[in-house]
Amino acid sequence: EVRLVESGGGLVQPGRSLRLSCATSGFIFDNYAMHWVRQAPGKGLEWLSGINWQGGDIGYADSVKGRFVISRDNATRSLFLQMTGLRPDDTALYYCVQVGRAAALKSWGQGTLVTVS
Amino acid sequence: DIQMTQSPPTLSASVGDRVTFTCRASQSISSYLNWYQQKPGQVPKLLIYAASSLQSGVPSRFSGRGSGTDFTLTISSLQFEDFATYYCQQSYSLPFTFGPGTTVEI
Repeated sequence: EVRLVESGGGLVQPGRSLRLSCATSGFIFDNYAMHWVRQAPGKGLEWLSGINWQGGDIGYADSVKGRFVISRDNATRSLFLQMTGLRPDDTALYYCVQVGRAAALKSWGQGTLVTVS
Repeated sequence: DIQMTQSPPTLSASVGDRVTFTCRASQSISSYLNWYQQKPGQVPKLLIYAASSLQSGVPSRFSGRGSGTDFTLTISSLQFEDFATYYCQQSYSLPFTFGPGTTVEI
């Protein structure tokens, strides 16, 4: 069974940094691209960033480009999101997501809540 | 960036109804369109990928159609557990983008 467990969220002041982690199990991690998606309270889904299986192909939403950095460690089966210059509108539940066929977002973690205030 | 729109924003329906809602991309995305269902307080769930392929375990009452810029999701006979918000998402080019969602209400 695919399992994605996010951690690292919390309450942080504007302008500060936070690093999210996603521990994975149940699949061959280095066979899959991985993405981050967030959802602000009461709002829709926002795609944030993605990284291919080897880490060489990366993309970001305009809203986080230059502030957030995605990375992965295939040896430890982990995905990361380094967030800097946090703003109140970054307050959201952050999901770690496994990418499947046609780059669809196949399996989702339960999310970690980031509150910037 | 590719913009995604969905209509209607809210749809009122009854159990047993056939419902269809639409998703439109600001430019052609071929068939790189995915549909997700999200119930309140729950994690989004992939329903349809590549416009019309049913994700494993998803009931066959869900179907997707379309290519290019216009897509539809149809629920052939609405069940109580289908009342939720449905999002489309393009995976044609980065940055991937979601539509604003359609909420299906009782």
